[in-house]
Amino acid sequence: DIQMTQSPSSVSASVGDRVTITCRASQGISSWLAWYQQKPGKAPKLLIYAASSLQSGVPSRFSGSGSGTDFTLTISSLQPEDFATYYCQQANSFPHTFGQGTKLEIK
Amino acid sequence: EVQLVESGGGLVKPGGSLRLSCAASGFTFSSYSMNWVRQAPGKGLEWVSSISSSSSYIYYADSVKGRFTISRDNAKNSLYLQMNSLRAEDTAVYYCARDSQADDFPQLGFDYWGQGTLVTVSS
Repeated sequence: DIQMTQSPSSVSASVGDRVTITCRASQGISSWLAWYQQKPGKAPKLLIYAASSLQSGVPSRFSGSGSGTDFTLTISSLQPEDFATYYCQQANSFPHTFGQGTKLEIK
Repeated sequence: EVQLVESGGGLVKPGGSLRLSCAASGFTFSSYSMNWVRQAPGKGLEWVSSISSSSSYIYYADSVKGRFTISRDNAKNSLYLQMNSLRAEDTAVYYCARDSQADDFPQLGFDYWGQGTLVTVSS
């Protein structure tokens, strides 16, 4: 099975900051990676698919990059509504494993 | 409007069974592969199972293989998860989620999710 490791596990930042979250796969997954945002008590929301494609309706301050084993999610200028937990998920092969999550907190 | 509504969660004793349902509306259900994802209290997301549009292909996480069965009824626009031999570690909110393109396992993430149904396994 492919293991997904996110870093950091948590990060504190301020409104307007640029934040980058990293996701590493234990083996190559091409570009078959998705990113989700989850707020407390809510279902996850798809942000990015195929590593760098922005899901419809998602603000352009979110961007994704990477291929192979190393991927990043970048939020260019944090907004108050962006404080949440973020997960990566590989879709290269089953099981479609998730990373452990990165909690983005207000500094 | 796409909607996924889960039901069937509740409190069950270890070793017991439960059947979750997910009612889909607002899209051509029979054209999409579907998924179950769970989240234990205070923990991260765990992929559980996926099923192709015609039920020809089914996949499970090792943690549930042999105990859980995913199925669907395209005539009823419904997805199911039969859970047997339940354990305390199966306690979680269970979400059904749609693959993001009308294809079998398009590898593009899950674009619509239900609100989740809580399963608690405890004596």
